[in-house]
Amino acid sequence: AQSVAQPEDQVKVAEGNPLTVKCTYSVSGNPYLFWYVQYPNRGLQFLLKYITGDNLVKGSYGFEAEFNKSQTSFHLKKPSALVSDSALYFCAVRDKRDSNYQLIWGAGTKLIIKP
Amino acid sequence: DVKVTQSSRYLVKRTGEKVFLECVQDMDHENMFWYRQDPGLGLRLIYFSYDVKMKEKGDIPEGYSVSREKKERFSLILESASTNQTSMYLCASIATGIPYNEQFFGPGTRLTVL
Repeated sequence: AQSVAQPEDQVKVAEGNPLTVKCTYSVSGNPYLFWYVQYPNRGLQFLLKYITGDNLVKGSYGFEAEFNKSQTSFHLKKPSALVSDSALYFCAVRDKRDSNYQLIWGAGTKLIIKP
Repeated sequence: DVKVTQSSRYLVKRTGEKVFLECVQDMDHENMFWYRQDPGLGLRLIYFSYDVKMKEKGDIPEGYSVSREKKERFSLILESASTNQTSMYLCASIATGIPYNEQFFGPGTRLTVL
């Protein structure tokens, strides 16, 4: 079965330090990969996506993500965390063969940035 | 900017009531989705629609139905609400044609069933 794993329920980082939120997937082929963020009591906002090409993708709010095909991973990163980055982060994957544009979602990782 | 709106941010209903959650998007998107979000479970797809009057079941359709009479509006219906349907409900839409387009989400409706 196709799946997306976010192995950490919660990640805590001090402000100013680099952060990584992990995502691995089990989807056949070369899927499209996405990261979304959810701030408290808000809907999801798109952060960035990997389509093809360069393994490092840059997105909104200074976030970037690194695609690793051999490890089937798509980890979210930021060089210097801000308290305002505290939110719930979701990794999602789309199988290129899916014609309905559905996404397979990870369970989410709560990111806590300590002042 | 794409805007997806949902009829209520917070809703409290009683067991057995019929509940309507409405979602409207203003960008002429073809596909629309209803998800429920529960802690530790991520987003689970309830139903989606790829055209007016067309719908497909998602992963957890039991206890829900949907209606899409107009392209911009997608409604989720709980025929007889139960306490295990207490959750956050998220609506999303997407423009088709480009396979790597992202979904756009509404603010969510937090439903409590007493």
